[in-house]
Amino acid sequence: AQSVTQLDSHVSVSEGTPVLLRCNYSSSYSPSLFWYVQHPNKGLQLLLKYTSAATLVKGINGFEAEFKKSETSFHLTKPSAHMSDAAEYFCVVSVAFSGGYNKLIFGAGTRLAVHP
Amino acid sequence: EAGVTQSPTHLIKTRGQQATLRCSPISGHTSVYWYQQALGLGLQFLLWYDEGEERNRGNFPPRFSGRQFPNYSSELNVNALELEDSALYLCASSPGGYNEQFFGPGTRLTVL
Repeated sequence: AQSVTQLDSHVSVSEGTPVLLRCNYSSSYSPSLFWYVQHPNKGLQLLLKYTSAATLVKGINGFEAEFKKSETSFHLTKPSAHMSDAAEYFCVVSVAFSGGYNKLIFGAGTRLAVHP
Repeated sequence: EAGVTQSPTHLIKTRGQQATLRCSPISGHTSVYWYQQALGLGLQFLLWYDEGEERNRGNFPPRFSGRQFPNYSSELNVNALELEDSALYLCASSPGGYNEQFFGPGTRLTVL
């Protein structure tokens, strides 16, 4: 069965330092993977997606993620954190159903705090 | 291009009442998804509509229901409200069932 595990429920960094949010997935075939961000009292915004093209995926706001099949990981990184990056981040795997439809399986989320 | 819109922004009901939440997808998107985000429970998949039909349903009781209209907008109905139904309800849309989903801002439902 497909699943996704976010290894840290909370991550705290100082402004200007690197960000690493860890995600492992379980999938019986080559998955589609996404990172979404949710700012307080807002909906979810797509940061980036992996769909079996380049293993290093660049997203919005300077974020990127690397797909590592051997490690079944899809960690999210950013070289330098900004105060506006404080939010909750969700790693998501897409699950295919017969008939060509899919649904998203969400990780539990990682809350990122950025300190001055 | 307008994003996914949801109404109302906030909804306050009492236990036993019915709630109706509405969602308008991005123009051209035929699939609409509903999720519940309750405190401490994460994002839970509720319902998925495509081309006017219910395609899949999450592990929720039948009092959670909905429909999709010919213009692809959607309604989520929750009957016999319970306190634990208090949550942020998110709607998402996609251009068919096999693409990334774009989310609306959500409706905050509070059951007193």
